[in-house]
Amino acid sequence: KQEVTQIPAALSVPEGENLVLNCSFTDSAIYNLQWFRQDPGKGLTSLLLIQSSQREQTSGRLNASLDKSSGRSTLYIAASQPGDSATYLCAVRVYGNEKLTFGTGTRLTIIP
Amino acid sequence: DTAVSQTPKYLVTQMGNDKSIKCEQNLGHDTMYWYKQDSKKFLKIMFSYNNKELIINETVPNRFSPKSPDKAHLNLHINSLELGDSAVYFCASSWGDSGRAYEQYFGPGTRLTVT
Repeated sequence: KQEVTQIPAALSVPEGENLVLNCSFTDSAIYNLQWFRQDPGKGLTSLLLIQSSQREQTSGRLNASLDKSSGRSTLYIAASQPGDSATYLCAVRVYGNEKLTFGTGTRLTIIP
Repeated sequence: DTAVSQTPKYLVTQMGNDKSIKCEQNLGHDTMYWYKQDSKKFLKIMFSYNNKELIINETVPNRFSPKSPDKAHLNLHINSLELGDSAVYFCASSWGDSGRAYEQYFGPGTRLTVT
């Protein structure tokens, strides 16, 4: 059974700093991994999708990496801004199954 | 130009009532999902439909019944509501062809409160 964990559960960082969010999963036979952000009381916004054959994906100040063999992914946020404050969720999809298994989330606060 | 929409956004009802949540997507996707986010913010799949056919049915009480009248709609009907059903319910859609690795797009959520 796939389990996805995100550590830390909460993180506070001064504005302007670079930061890394971590995601680990127990079953390395994944099809893809998706990073989302969720603002309080809002839905999920997809940030990046990494296929199992890829090592990383970039979008603006965001860079996501994937190491399938070790069951880990990281989301790197450069030059953090107060608008980056949100909960960040990673989710994995395994082969032959349409569903996403979500991590526990990291609540990020950027301090102005 | 909303991609995935849900109605209502908020739903407050009493125990024992029956209620429905509607979901529509205009992305042309063939697969739709219902997820539940509990009070601890943990998201878990409930159901998935591909081309109106049920393909995922996690361990969910029989009181929950999804219905897909067409590819663009997936509604969730809940009978005999219980306090523990209080949560945020998210609808999502994607391409379901396992040969492709498309993203899932989520709706804004429906916050259900059972009193």
